[in-house]
Amino acid sequence: GQNIDQPTEMTATEGAIVQINCTYQTSGFNGLFWYQQHAGEAPTFLSYNVLDGLEEKGRFSSFLSRSKGYSYLLLKELQMKDSASYLCAVADSNYQLIWGAGTKLIIKP
Amino acid sequence: TAGITQAPTSQILAAGRSMTLRCTQDMRHNAMYWYRQDLGLGLRLIHYSNTAGTTGKGEVPDGYSVSRANTDDFPLTLASAVPSQTSVYFCASTAEAFQKEAFFGQGTRLTVV
Repeated sequence: GQNIDQPTEMTATEGAIVQINCTYQTSGFNGLFWYQQHAGEAPTFLSYNVLDGLEEKGRFSSFLSRSKGYSYLLLKELQMKDSASYLCAVADSNYQLIWGAGTKLIIKP
Repeated sequence: TAGITQAPTSQILAAGRSMTLRCTQDMRHNAMYWYRQDLGLGLRLIHYSNTAGTTGKGEVPDGYSVSRANTDDFPLTLASAVPSQTSVYFCASTAEAFQKEAFFGQGTRLTVV
């Protein structure tokens, strides 16, 4: 079957750095996505990786290793507004998105 | 900018009743999607439409139907609701099928009692 694994919850301190991991097993691979979802709101797009390596976008970076079925989202200089759930999703061979259950990130002052 | 609008924002529905969740987008996106989001589970695709006039089944289509008469609207119908359909429903769109960035509506919280 197809599976996306990510930690259920993480806690970090304001101003620090946090890494949210995602491992996947899917039938085919056509890219990995990260979305941010604040409580009670819609998911919003953060990043897309299809080749191995690191993609940097401001305070957020996303890394992909296709051979290991692994990705991480790195958040630097954490702010209170970064408290949210972070969703990992993989596009399979049919380009359908398989979603992880999300990682709830709690930022403490 | 409106983007994607869903209605209603929340609803309590008696089991056995039918209901249509509305979704409208003003971005002229070709592809649209319906997901459900349940606690502890990832988003699951119910139905999708790659372009007006076509629809397809996702991972969990049973008990739901969709239509795509035009580019802007993609309603989701529950013919006879059951309690297991209690969920938060999100409509989303991408400019083209298989496009990277999806835009989501604010969601409809449905409770079937």
